[in-house]
Formats: sequence, C-alpha cells, structure tokens
Amino acid sequence: AQTVTQSQPEMSVQEAETVTLSCTYDTSESDYYLFWYKQPPSRQMILVIRQEAYKQQNATENRFSVNFQKAAKSFSLKISDSQLGDAAMYFCAYTGTASKLTFGTGTRLQVTL
Amino acid sequence: DTGVSQDPRHKITKRGQNVTFRCDPISEHNRLYWYRQTLGQGPEFLTYFQNEAQLEKSRLLSDRFSAERPKGSFSTLEIQRTEQGDSAMYLCASSPPGLAPLGQFFGPGTRLTVL
Repeated sequence: AQTVTQSQPEMSVQEAETVTLSCTYDTSESDYYLFWYKQPPSRQMILVIRQEAYKQQNATENRFSVNFQKAAKSFSLKISDSQLGDAAMYFCAYTGTASKLTFGTGTRLQVTL
Repeated sequence: DTGVSQDPRHKITKRGQNVTFRCDPISEHNRLYWYRQTLGQGPEFLTYFQNEAQLEKSRLLSDRFSAERPKGSFSTLEIQRTEQGDSAMYLCASSPPGLAPLGQFFGPGTRLTVL
C-alpha cells in the first residue's frame, strides 16, 4: 500500500520570505502522480501543484514550486514571497494506478507579519 | 463555471438516525470520489465512481454506508444508524476523463456531528 508522510505538523514563515514543506512517500508503482493541496481554515481544498513521476523537471506554478526527488521518494513544496493568504493546511497527496488520492497528515502553515 | 457543490454543508443528528448527503460534481467530470476527514487529519478515501459505476470501496466503508450515482451525474452518500465515530467532514471530489490524473477538485464538504 502507498503511504504519504508529512513530518512537519506546523511551520511558520514571515511575509515575503520563502518556506519549504516536506513530504515523503512510499510506493512500488513506477507510474504515479503527486499533488499538493491547500486547505484554508473552514474553506475547501484547493489544488496547488501537480507533478508527474515520469517527468524529471520540477513543476512550478507562480510562487509555488516543487523539489521532486524520485529516488529518494521525496516531494517538497517551496512557497516563495509568502503572503498572508498562504496560511492554511497543506496536504501532500499521491495517486498511482488507482484513481484515489492518498493524503499525508498535513502541515499547518502560519504566515506572520 | 461552477465547482463541486455539496448539500447540506452542516448536519447535526442523533445517534441511530440515518443521514444522506448529496454531491454535484463539475458537469464534464465523469469521476466522482467521496472522502472522510477527521480533525487534524488528511482526507481518507471512501469510494469512487466512474460515470454510474462504483469502481472501488474502502474498507472504511462499513455496511452502514452506501453511495450511489444513479445517472452518472450527482451522487448521494447515506449513513444508516449513525454512530458518534461517524462525526467528520465528508468531502466530495470530481475529476475529468482522461488517462492522466489532472487532480481532483473538491467541494466544500458536509460536516456531520453525531450527538
């Protein structure tokens, strides 16, 4: 079975600074996809960024980028120029041949002035 | 462009009662998923439909839980004889057709409280 681990329950970053959220996963599948989702307080889950395992190039979406290390089974999210609106729970998620998503336990990101 | 909608947003019920939740996916999405999220945890997969066919059910989905998607559009999730342990946020998500998963798009969830 696939597992996703987020070892940082909480992180804090100052506005305009950069923060990196960690995620590791375990799988025996060769073809899979990884995602980061953002869940603001009392609001719905939003897809932040997506990475295909067969692509060596790291995905980037505006201020959000990933560091995908396939051999190490690591998939970290970097948020640059942090904004107050980035404060949320961030979930790392995996999907392989099955369509379902397997989520980590999440990292709560605080953004301070 | 409307997203995934869920109804109701909140439900309070007494133990032993039956509850039903509804999910309306994004219109062109043929895949629909149900997840359960408890406080401080990530969502856990419950079941998945492709069009009207229920293709996978989690072991978390006990006999008291049933889901349907009769015409391949909206879906319902029913919990019979609710228990306090059923208290959670129930999330619905949908995704478009295609071989490569583009990501699932989530609704706002239904928060269930069982007293």
